[in-house]
Amino acid sequence: AQKITQTQPGMFVQEKEAVTLDCTYDTSDPSYGLFWYKQPSSGEMIFLIYQGSYDQQNATEGRYSLNFQKARKSANLVISASQLGDSAMYFCAMKGGGNKLTFGTGTQLKVEL
Amino acid sequence: EAGVAQSPRYKIIEKRQSVAFWCNPISGHATLYWYQQILGQGPKLLIQFQNNGVVDDSQLPKDRFSAERLKGVDSTLKIQPAKLEDSAVYLCASSLVGVRETQYFGPGTRLLVL
Repeated sequence: AQKITQTQPGMFVQEKEAVTLDCTYDTSDPSYGLFWYKQPSSGEMIFLIYQGSYDQQNATEGRYSLNFQKARKSANLVISASQLGDSAMYFCAMKGGGNKLTFGTGTQLKVEL
Repeated sequence: EAGVAQSPRYKIIEKRQSVAFWCNPISGHATLYWYQQILGQGPKLLIQFQNNGVVDDSQLPKDRFSAERLKGVDSTLKIQPAKLEDSAVYLCASSLVGVRETQYFGPGTRLLVL
């Protein structure tokens, strides 16, 4: 069974600062993928970044980077230079064998002036 | 490239009524998913199709929920009869096949059962 844990229900960050959203996972699958999604108040899930379990380097996509520590089973999302438009719910998710995506409970991020 | 389309966007019904949601995936995506997202929670997978076959429906309440993907493209999710606890956002997603493949989501249907 797969499990994703996001321990921060809510986070605040000042505009232009960096913020780290925590995610830990548990799985018995040797090969898996980790995803982060953003969900604004409009409700749509927006894909941000992907990390494969065998990828040698941490993933980066623009202002998003994933701090992947396989031994600690953590996949934290780092958002650099926060913008007001980054205010949203952020979900960490994992996919193992079978294409099934398991989501965490999410972190509500609020960017302040 | 067009994204995942869903309709309706909003639906209000009374308990014991029936309701249906429609999803059109991204062209070429063999895998289609329906998720239920209750307020304050992460999405929960209800059913996964690959082409027109069911891969996983272990969390689908089959006494009241049904879903089909007849021609391997569009899909319909039905609830009959609806209960108050079915109030949620129903998200459809699609992807290519594979662990590395990203699931892309539609805008969702917000259902309120009164």
